[in-house]
Amino acid sequence: DAKTTQPPSMDCAEGRAANLPCNHSTISGNEYVYWYRQIHSQGPQYIIHGLKNNETNEMASLIITEDRKSSTLILPHATLRDTAVYYCIVRPNTGGFKTIFGAGTRLFVKA
Amino acid sequence: DGGITQSPKYLFRKEGQNVTLSCEQNLNHDAMYWYRQDPGQGLRLIYYSQIVNDFQKGDIAEGYSVSREKKESFPLTVTSAQKNPTAFYLCASTSGTGLTGELFFGEGSRLTVL
Repeated sequence: DAKTTQPPSMDCAEGRAANLPCNHSTISGNEYVYWYRQIHSQGPQYIIHGLKNNETNEMASLIITEDRKSSTLILPHATLRDTAVYYCIVRPNTGGFKTIFGAGTRLFVKA
Repeated sequence: DGGITQSPKYLFRKEGQNVTLSCEQNLNHDAMYWYRQDPGQGLRLIYYSQIVNDFQKGDIAEGYSVSREKKESFPLTVTSAQKNPTAFYLCASTSGTGLTGELFFGEGSRLTVL
């Protein structure tokens, strides 16, 4: 499985958009980009995933570059409850059993 | 509601004791996983199982053992051979061949060795 690189921490003002970058320059053609977040002492929660097209759901938007070597998770209106560690991972959509989770980005949303 | 249940949430153990962490899922998922998380770190894969009665070592399997006798259950035993067992343990599952490949996680078990 490909590895990802994320900044260790970011700050965001409440109500503003939070843009979390992720580099995955060694991503394979069959690997999807997944985003999870982990609030302190809880299990990670799925946010969104995509292959090559931009995706949006009720939680966030995912922008993937055309060459698929990087992506950005966008939380359009960050709230204090969005303070968490955000993990960007890549894995095949089937048979991807050894998913690698790095240290992620710790997002601090400030009032 | 479907989901993954881990127990206990908190566990204390003396050195030299084996402990077993429970993981049960009612999602009818084929694949189950155990991860270990240390403070400020990402998740490291301990063991995973793709089907009943089969499991594979992950990156840090030494000092741990698992079983998969039922599809719903994937208990993890932390043995006395694990030199630094204090950590947060997470169980996850996925349908394996599902269209989304999404990993579902339990709420975790925090083990502290006294």
